[in-house]
This record gives sequence, C-alpha cells and structure tokens, in this order.
Amino acid sequence: DTEVTQTPKHLVMGMTNKKSLKCEQHMGHRAMYWYKQKAKKPPELMFVYSYEKLSINESVPSRFSPECPNSSLLNLHLHALQPEDSALYLCASSPSRGRSTDTQYFGPGTRLTVL
Amino acid sequence: AQSVTQPDIHITVSEGASLELRCNYSYGATPYLFWYVQSPGQGLQLLLKYFSGDTLVQGIKGFEAEFKRSQSSFNLRKPSVHWSDAAEYFCAVGSQGNLIFGKGTKLSVKP
Repeated sequence: DTEVTQTPKHLVMGMTNKKSLKCEQHMGHRAMYWYKQKAKKPPELMFVYSYEKLSINESVPSRFSPECPNSSLLNLHLHALQPEDSALYLCASSPSRGRSTDTQYFGPGTRLTVL
Repeated sequence: AQSVTQPDIHITVSEGASLELRCNYSYGATPYLFWYVQSPGQGLQLLLKYFSGDTLVQGIKGFEAEFKRSQSSFNLRKPSVHWSDAAEYFCAVGSQGNLIFGKGTKLSVKP
C-alpha cells in the first residue's frame, strides 16, 4: 500500500481565517513533505520533516506553520493567507530522508482558494 | 547545477498511437530518475524509477522508460496510448533526498 491521504480535498478561506491541512500515511515512512503547486508548474518544496523533526524550511512565510504530531501525521496550519497563496498543496512521504534514492509518494492534494 | 529539462510543453497524440516523452538531465553523479503522472486536480503518481541495472525500466499502466547515459536522457514511452493517459507528466532526478522536477509535459489524446 503506497497511499498518502489528505484532507480536506478543497478549502476556501478568507484572509483573516485560520485553517489547517492534514496529511496521513501508514506506510511506516519516516520522512514527510509539504509542496505547493501553482497551475501549469511543477511542485515547489515547502517543508520536510525527518523522524518528526523539521529538517528543511524553504524560506516559506510564517503564515504557513507545519506540525508533525507523530510519524504518521503531518499538518499545515494556515493563518492570514494572501490570495497569491491559492494553489494545490501536496503532501508526500518517503521511507527515509537524505538519499537520492528516496522515493516520494504523493497524496491527492488540497485545492486551496484564498479570497 | 543539477537540472531536468522536458523539451516539450504540450504533446497531442491520437488514441492508439505510440508515445515518447523526452527528459534530459544534468547531474554530476549517478542519476536516480523518476517519472510521475498528474491527472487534472490530482496528486502525483509514481510511474517508474531508475536507480541502476537494466537501462530499460518497466512501470505501471504500460509505461516504460530507457536510461541513456551518453545522451543524459530518460525518455518515457508507451506503445499504445489510451484516452485516460491524458495528463501532465513530470520527470525528476533525486538529489540527496530532494526531487528536482522538470517543468512537465502536458499530454492530450485525440479520439
């Protein structure tokens, strides 16, 4: 089973709202990722967690706050977003972290619209 | 610098025709290569990967890819395209745990 699940599938929020995206995997993977994808572009890496510790933050604005409560769960907390943050947010996981052979498995994504 | 180039932004093929999507990489060490497919509004699905060994790699959904070190290429092929193959295809190279993506090729399928 190579399934990564994400909820919600769609999210519409105002610029003053606080919301969270959720990602879950039960493959025993020890690395989890958040990506942002704009239309007609490849995914852009935002955050990486390895063994539940944040290992990469790609200069993402503080209005995005990741959290990894345990090895199976990854959250992305959103606050005071801007309309340009509207995008598809993808979660991925891989068995380990730091090797070029790490194979990442992606979830279906959350389509976020900021009004 | 490491990079992946997908020269074709958009390709249209007829259903039942063969398909080849091009991917060229620039990488200093042994490349670890991936092809992902993304249907509209969906996540990325791994089609196949190449790490070492046989340079012709079989994947899911009838896709295969051939690694050619001399040409720095990892082209994706399918002998007979189905309408459900219409999607965006991304080639990527693994680099110390990160994926370096190409810009993608959009595949349209004519009936």
